[in-house]
Amino acid sequence: EPEVTQTPSHQVTQMGQEVILRCVPISNHLYFYWYRQILGQKVEFLVSFYNNEISEKSEIFDDQFSVERPDGSNFTLKIRSTKLEDSAMYFCASSSAGPRSSYNSPLHFGNGTRLTVT
Amino acid sequence: AQSVTQLDSHVSVSEGTPVLLRCNYSSSYSPSLFWYVQHPNKGLQLLLKYTSAATLVKGINGFEAEFKKSETSFHLTKPSAHMSDAAEYFCVVSDRTGGSYIPTFGRGTSLIVHP
Repeated sequence: EPEVTQTPSHQVTQMGQEVILRCVPISNHLYFYWYRQILGQKVEFLVSFYNNEISEKSEIFDDQFSVERPDGSNFTLKIRSTKLEDSAMYFCASSSAGPRSSYNSPLHFGNGTRLTVT
Repeated sequence: AQSVTQLDSHVSVSEGTPVLLRCNYSSSYSPSLFWYVQHPNKGLQLLLKYTSAATLVKGINGFEAEFKKSETSFHLTKPSAHMSDAAEYFCVVSDRTGGSYIPTFGRGTSLIVHP
């Protein structure tokens, strides 16, 4: 069964550094998402992406964050100037139908990248 | 606005006994509802989904959930727990808020299964 893959599984970085989290969505999916889960807290929506542009974003997704689909397979989340509070598990997801579709397709998630900012 | 409440942060059962994980939702429209499971160091796996068809939904690994509009609930059940069911379970609601479906997660329920 096709799956979403995320790399690295664990990333440690120093405060103020930039990190790039990478995701390879399921190949025939067109809609991509990033969520994060701070330890002990709920899974929070960050951003959705379709047709090479952001379709929705949350209040968390400020100018510190950006997403990109640099080629036909990868989907990346960049965090500039990381802060201690960015430490979390970051999940990438993809789906075959998008946020504005009348048919609500479930999201398929990767295993996550645990980001630790020291 | 949509929201979801998982009423228990932890549920502890003995192997072979029934499982009940509770979920209540708030939605302005007819929602889609999902349950996901997260095993340690693994991603989020879809257990089952409700998208306005049959109100009793069967999923993988013997789990099922019943959509009850009058109670705004979507509780997850399983007749007999296995040790391998020990994991974190998330109830997710998605409705057309502001023109988009953005799934919203509950806080999660940790299922503990004792031998």
